[in-house]
Amino acid sequence: DGGITQSPKYLFRKEGQNVTLSCEQNLNHDAMYWYRQDPGQGLRLIYYSQIVNDFQKGDIAEGYSVSREKKESFPLTVTSAQKNPTAFYLCASSTGQGDGELFFGEGSRLTVL
Amino acid sequence: AQKITQTQPGMFVQEKEAVTLDCTYDTSDPSYGLFWYKQPSSGEMIFLIYQGSYDQQNATEGRYSLNFQKARKSANLVISASQLGDSAMYFCAMREPRRGTYKYIFGTGTRLKVLA
Repeated sequence: DGGITQSPKYLFRKEGQNVTLSCEQNLNHDAMYWYRQDPGQGLRLIYYSQIVNDFQKGDIAEGYSVSREKKESFPLTVTSAQKNPTAFYLCASSTGQGDGELFFGEGSRLTVL
Repeated sequence: AQKITQTQPGMFVQEKEAVTLDCTYDTSDPSYGLFWYKQPSSGEMIFLIYQGSYDQQNATEGRYSLNFQKARKSANLVISASQLGDSAMYFCAMREPRRGTYKYIFGTGTRLKVLA
């Protein structure tokens, strides 16, 4: 079945540690996105990418980094510079052609201890 | 700047009744798309309905319809004949072209509770 796989589903980290969240899609989509969800704040865009080796900052990119070395993969690193990293992270993809909706993974819940 | 506003943090509706969830948007681009997603407590995002800025008619998908008022920049979701399983968070979203790709932004959501 085609879809988006995020891992891990739950992650705990200590303050000062970097952590990388995985996002893989087999939908052959060009565009991929990372969102952060906090209670009462909806989904906020962290980074997005239209093609391999190219990505743009979203509205809350500070303290995060991404790479897009393969079309199928768009990992997100939450660095120690992110002041409040505890949140629910959602990866999504779309065709990138301005048609269709965003398809989402099941999310990764990060807790900083 | 593009923006999506959902002014209802929480809503209650009686089972089998209809409910309207409000969404207003702001954009200067003539070409955009509007979406509604449902998020149950499990956290998955479920696509419900889509409206393009050039679409003349309101979108409908089963019990969901989108009341699109372009001049007012509103895209309200109407759920008819509410069911207990409709209890969830609902997000309005907008797609805009941005530097060769498309950016999707979301509102803060409305939590709907269906009462038996």
